[in-house]
Amino acid sequence: DIQLTQSPSSLSASVGDIVTITCRASQSISSYLNWYQHKPGRAPKLLIYGASSLVSGVPSRFSGSGSGTDFTLTISSLQPEDFATYYCQQSYITSWTFGQGTKVEIK
Amino acid sequence: QVQLVQSGAEVKKPGASVKVSCKASGYTFSSHAITWVRQAPGQGLEWMGWISAYNGKTYYAEKLQDRLTLTTDTSTSTAYMELRSLRSDDTAVYYCLRGVEQGENWGQGTLVAVSS
Repeated sequence: DIQLTQSPSSLSASVGDIVTITCRASQSISSYLNWYQHKPGRAPKLLIYGASSLVSGVPSRFSGSGSGTDFTLTISSLQPEDFATYYCQQSYITSWTFGQGTKVEIK
Repeated sequence: QVQLVQSGAEVKKPGASVKVSCKASGYTFSSHAITWVRQAPGQGLEWMGWISAYNGKTYYAEKLQDRLTLTTDTSTSTAYMELRSLRSDDTAVYYCLRGVEQGENWGQGTLVAVSS
C-alpha cells in the first residue's frame, strides 16, 4: 500500500490566516492526489482533484499543488466555515489510501 | 443533480452481518463505479473497495476481502455493501460514493454499531 503522511496533525489558526497542509506519499503517485474537507456529521467534500484542479463551486481561496511525493493544500484566507478536518487521498493505485487528517481549529 | 441516498443506522451483535444500501439518482448508474469508505469513531477515513456498476467487477481492501461483498442492482440503481462476521472494531459510519479516482458525490453515511 501507498502511505500518505499529513502534517501537521492539527493546527490552530485565526480567520484571515493563510493555512498550509502538506501530504507526503511513500512513493511517487504522479498527480493522483485529492483533498477533502470533512465536518462532523457530514460526508467528506471534495475540494481539489488531480493535485491542483479546483472542484466547481469550491471557493478560490483553496488551492493545491505538488506532484510525485510532495503535495500541499493552501487556504489563502481562512474563513469561519473552513474549520474542519482535511484529508489527502491517493488514487494512483486502485486501493485508495487517505492521510491521517489535519484538524483545523479556531485560535 | 447526482444524489446517493443510503439506508438507515443499524445496530448489530458481534458475529452478525449487515447490508447497507446506496440508491443513486441523477446520472446513468451503469456509467460509474461505486466506492465504499468507512470512518470509525475518532479515526480517519478507510477505503473498503469498489464495484463497477457496468459489469459488477469488484476490488476489495485486503484486510476486508474475506468478509466484504459489494453488489449492485442496475434495475433500481442501488449498490449494496454487506459485511459479515461483524466485530466491535467494525463500528463506523459507512459511506458510498461515485467513482474510483476521486469522490465528488457521497452518500450521507450510515452508522453501523456493533455491540453485545
